[in-house]
Amino acid sequence: QLQLQESGPGLVKPSETLSLTCTVSGGSISSSSYYWGWIRQPPGKGLEWIGNIYYSGSTYYNPSLKSRVTISVDTSKTQFSLKLSSVTAADTAVYYCARLPITAAGFDYWGQGTLATVSS
Amino acid sequence: QSVLTQPPSVSGAPGQRVTISCTGSSSNIGAGYDVYWYQQLPGTAPKLLIYGNSNRPSGVPDRFSGSKSGTSASLAITGLQVEDEADYYCQSYDSSLSGYVVFGGGTKLTVL
Repeated sequence: QLQLQESGPGLVKPSETLSLTCTVSGGSISSSSYYWGWIRQPPGKGLEWIGNIYYSGSTYYNPSLKSRVTISVDTSKTQFSLKLSSVTAADTAVYYCARLPITAAGFDYWGQGTLATVSS
Repeated sequence: QSVLTQPPSVSGAPGQRVTISCTGSSSNIGAGYDVYWYQQLPGTAPKLLIYGNSNRPSGVPDRFSGSKSGTSASLAITGLQVEDEADYYCQSYDSSLSGYVVFGGGTKLTVL
C-alpha cells in the first residue's frame, strides 16, 4: 500500500523559508507513470495547488507562487521536497503531498498533511 | 477567487439526492480537460472520489456519480448518508495557466 508522509518544522518565522519533505513508501518514486505534487489548505479555506515534480526533476509550479517555490526530488531517499521562500502569515496552511498519475490525472494518494504556521 | 466555482454549501436529508456544481470556462472544463472530485471528511486529507469526469476509483460507492457538460461539471450523491457530510472539491486543468492544476473553492455538504 502506497503511503506518503509529510515532515518539517511546524513553525516558521516571517520572511524565512518553509521547508517540507514528503517520504514515499510502499511504491517507487522513480516510476515514469506519476508526478508528485504539493497542495496546501489555509485554515478553514479551500485547496490550492502549489506544484508538481516528475522523477526526472521536471517541475511545474502554480504561477501565483512560482517566484517563491522550489520542488526537488531525491529518488535515492524516495523523497521529494518543497521550499517556499519569503513566507508571510498568508502561507500558514496544512501542506499535503500527493501522487498524480500522468494518465488519470487526479491526485490518487495523499499524505495526512502537516500544519505549517508562519509567526514570529 | 477560485478558477472553478462551486456553491459554498448544499444540504439534504438522509436518503435524498443532492448535486454539487462546478462551473468553469472555455480555458478549463470547456477546453476539454477532465474533471475530478474529492471528498474531504473533517480533519482528514482529501480523497479522490471521481476521476475522468465520471469514473469511480475502486471502493467508492456507486451512490456517487459525476458528469460534465460544456463548461460545467456536477457531482451527484444519491441515498444520502450521515457519513457523507464533508467538503467536496472539484479539480481540473487550465490552458491559460499552462495546463496546470486548478481547484474549485469547495462545497460543504450538510446532512440534515
